[in-house]
Amino acid sequence: DIQMTQSPSTLSASVGDRVTITCRASQSISSWLAWYQQKPGKAPKLLIYKASSLESGVPSRFSGSGSGTEFTLTISSLQPDDFATYHCQQYSSFPYTFGQGTKLVIE
Amino acid sequence: QVQLQESGPGLVKPSETLSLTCTVSGGSISSSNYYWGWIRQPPGKGLEWIGSISYSGSTYYNPSLQSRVTISGDTSNNQISLKLTSVTAADTATYYCARMNTTATFDYWGQGTLVTVSS
Repeated sequence: DIQMTQSPSTLSASVGDRVTITCRASQSISSWLAWYQQKPGKAPKLLIYKASSLESGVPSRFSGSGSGTEFTLTISSLQPDDFATYHCQQYSSFPYTFGQGTKLVIE
Repeated sequence: QVQLQESGPGLVKPSETLSLTCTVSGGSISSSNYYWGWIRQPPGKGLEWIGSISYSGSTYYNPSLQSRVTISGDTSNNQISLKLTSVTAADTATYYCARMNTTATFDYWGQGTLVTVSS
């Protein structure tokens, strides 16, 4: 199985900050990486697919980059609605695997 | 607008079978553009892909669960089902069904259903 490791596990930030979350794969997954946002008690929401493509309806302050084994999700200017948990997922090969999640909290 | 709704018992006894149904509206499960999947999340933990089923009925399972899991589709009722046998407390989780789109990512999710394994 391909292991996905996110860092940090928790990130404290303020409204207006620029933040970056990293996701590393245990082997190359090309650009087959997605990012999801999850709020407490809710289902995940797709933000980014194919490492850097923005899902329809997702604000442009969200961006993704990377390929191979290292990927980043960047939020350019944090808004109050962005405080949530973020998950990366590889879909290069079965079994699909997720990172452990990064919880973004208000500083 | 596609909507997915999970249903099934919220409490299952150890060693028994967990059975859940996902009812899809706003789209057909037999549409050739999409696969459908089950993902679970233990309380306070990360997401785990359980398996997926294609529009033609082909199934793909997580090897960690393959010996215990069956995913099937009911086109007449537009439903996807999950069966997980011989459950233990480790199977306690919120179970989500989701649509896998042409980019092979999960773009529509149900609201999830918490299943607790306890006697």
